[in-house]
Amino acid sequence: GNSVTQTEGPVTLSEEAFLTINCTYTATGYPSLFWYVQYPGEGLQLLLKATKADDKGSNKGFEATYRKETTSFHLEKGSVQVSDSAVYFCALRNGGKLIFGQGTELSVKP
Amino acid sequence: DAGVIQSPRHEVTEMGQEVTLRCKPISGHDYLFWYRQTMMRGLELLIYFNNNVPIDDSGMPEDRFSAKMPNASFSTLKIQPSEPRDSAVYFCASSPGNNEQFFGPGTRLTVL
Repeated sequence: GNSVTQTEGPVTLSEEAFLTINCTYTATGYPSLFWYVQYPGEGLQLLLKATKADDKGSNKGFEATYRKETTSFHLEKGSVQVSDSAVYFCALRNGGKLIFGQGTELSVKP
Repeated sequence: DAGVIQSPRHEVTEMGQEVTLRCKPISGHDYLFWYRQTMMRGLELLIYFNNNVPIDDSGMPEDRFSAKMPNASFSTLKIQPSEPRDSAVYFCASSPGNNEQFFGPGTRLTVL
């Protein structure tokens, strides 16, 4: 079946540190991959996406590359800010519905 | 463009009462999803519709939960009777085809 596994949180970083949140997936066929972000008290927002192997999604300084050979879609940012503190969800879509990872809480300290 | 609209934003009710949550998807989107989020279980898909037809309701926890989509611009999620363990944030999302989903702000439900 389809599943997503991501870095277990919480992850705590200092401002300007490098961020990696790992995401690996299991799926049949060729899913689309997504990163969503949820700020406190809000719904999920799409952060970036990739629809085929070797695609790189990017937005707001975040990047992730669809790696079919390692079935991964790791999220990276070179220099995090306090405002990046949120919960990050990796997801795949294979057919009608999204399959989400468990979420990774990121806390960035000044 | 207005995003996905959910109402109410907060609902506090007593055990045994009926609760109805409402969702207006983004115009033109043909998929609609209902999710539940709790600390214990994370984000769970309850049911989704395509062109107003329920496609997969395997995530609906039990018969107390029901969802309808009478037209392309409106959906409801009903819990009858409600129980304290139903307390959660319920999200509605919509998408245009087999693409990314747009989430509403959620309804925070508290069942006392």
